[in-house]
Amino acid sequence: GENVEQHPSTLSVQEGDSAVIKCTYSDSASNYFPWYKQELGKRPQLIIDIRSNVGEKKDQRIAVTLNKTAKHFSLHITETQPEDSAVYFCAAFNFGNEKLTFGTGTRLTIIP
Amino acid sequence: DSGVTQTPKHLITATGQRVTLRCSPRSGDLSVYWYQQSLDQGLQFLIQYYNGEERAKGNILERFSAQQFPDLHSELNLSSLELGDSALYFCASSAGLAVYNEQFFGPGTRLTVL
Repeated sequence: GENVEQHPSTLSVQEGDSAVIKCTYSDSASNYFPWYKQELGKRPQLIIDIRSNVGEKKDQRIAVTLNKTAKHFSLHITETQPEDSAVYFCAAFNFGNEKLTFGTGTRLTIIP
Repeated sequence: DSGVTQTPKHLITATGQRVTLRCSPRSGDLSVYWYQQSLDQGLQFLIQYYNGEERAKGNILERFSAQQFPDLHSELNLSSLELGDSALYFCASSAGLAVYNEQFFGPGTRLTVL
């Protein structure tokens, strides 16, 4: 089955700097990659996603890049703000077996 | 507020028992997903229902089962509970069948097995 590895597990960034979280997946048939943000004590929320037919997608300060050949994708947050502090989960979806596999999460802390 | 409701918020029970978690999707959403979130395992997809039918299965144990009713609410049944089943259980709903329809998560049910 699919295996998604996520790094780093924790990340501290000075406010205003950029943060990058990386995920690798094992099943080349995976073709949809969402990212979720979970603030402390709250529910996960989708923040951005990318399908395998594009290499990059941006939404204001957030961007996701996908390298299908290397089977990895990354979340980039620029101009970080205190409200970006949360746990971020990547996931990979295989339309063949319709399974969504999550990474283990990255706890991002923005230092004021 | 995502519009997805889950009951109960907290549940404390003993090993070997059986519990039922309930989820009401957003109005108009046909898909319901169940997830388990434990400290050491992160988020795990358990199962998806679409318009009453099972659509996809993740790492759901045989002791667990789910169903979606004609009014589209869903229940997750956990039986022969073990200490390791202690976790936060989320349901999510989306409008369509495909996973890339944005999923909206409920507030979760925290299950503690003693």
